[in-house]
Amino acid sequence: AQTVTQSQPEMSVQEAETVTLSCTYDTSESDYYLFWYKQPPSRQMILVIRQEAYKQQNATENRFSVNFQKAAKSFSLKISDSQLGDAAMYFCAYSKSQGAQKLVFGQGTRLTINP
Amino acid sequence: DGGITQSPKYLFRKEGQNVTLSCEQNLNHDAMYWYRQDPGQGLRLIYYSQIVNDFQKGDIAEGYSVSREKKESFPLTVTSAQKNPTAFYLCASSLRDRGRSANTGELFFGEGSRLTVL
Repeated sequence: AQTVTQSQPEMSVQEAETVTLSCTYDTSESDYYLFWYKQPPSRQMILVIRQEAYKQQNATENRFSVNFQKAAKSFSLKISDSQLGDAAMYFCAYSKSQGAQKLVFGQGTRLTINP
Repeated sequence: DGGITQSPKYLFRKEGQNVTLSCEQNLNHDAMYWYRQDPGQGLRLIYYSQIVNDFQKGDIAEGYSVSREKKESFPLTVTSAQKNPTAFYLCASSLRDRGRSANTGELFFGEGSRLTVL
């Protein structure tokens, strides 16, 4: 079974600085999707960024980028120029590329932004 | 606007009672999912449905039941057999076709329902 591990329960960063959230996963599949979701205090899950395993290029979305290391099964999220609105729980998630689109989630990392 | 609506937002239940959480989507998605969220455990899959009149158990289905009579609706019943039902419940939906050009693999989530057993 696939598993996703986030080893940092909490992280904090100064506003305007850069922070990296870690995620590792375990799978025997060669093709899959990886995601980072944000859950603000409103509790609604919002997609931040996604990566397809067959693509070697790391995904970027404005201030958010990933470092995808397929051999190491690592998928970290870098947030540049942190803003107060980035404060939230961040979840790393995995999905097979074929079959039912079930996401397997990590335990989450609570990110605090210090003004 | 297209989206997923969950109701009620907060629900209180006495022990021994069944309760049903509603989930409706107008995104024309084929697949729908129910996740449970507990502190420190991330989200765990309860049930999912890829088409109308068909659904499968997820990782923690015991004590829960679902139905999928309409494409837009996927209600979750928390039965009295669920030993620890107090949690935050999230409903999600997605496209079912996994063709790369048509599907990002993304799940779209509702705002959740908080169930508390008194």
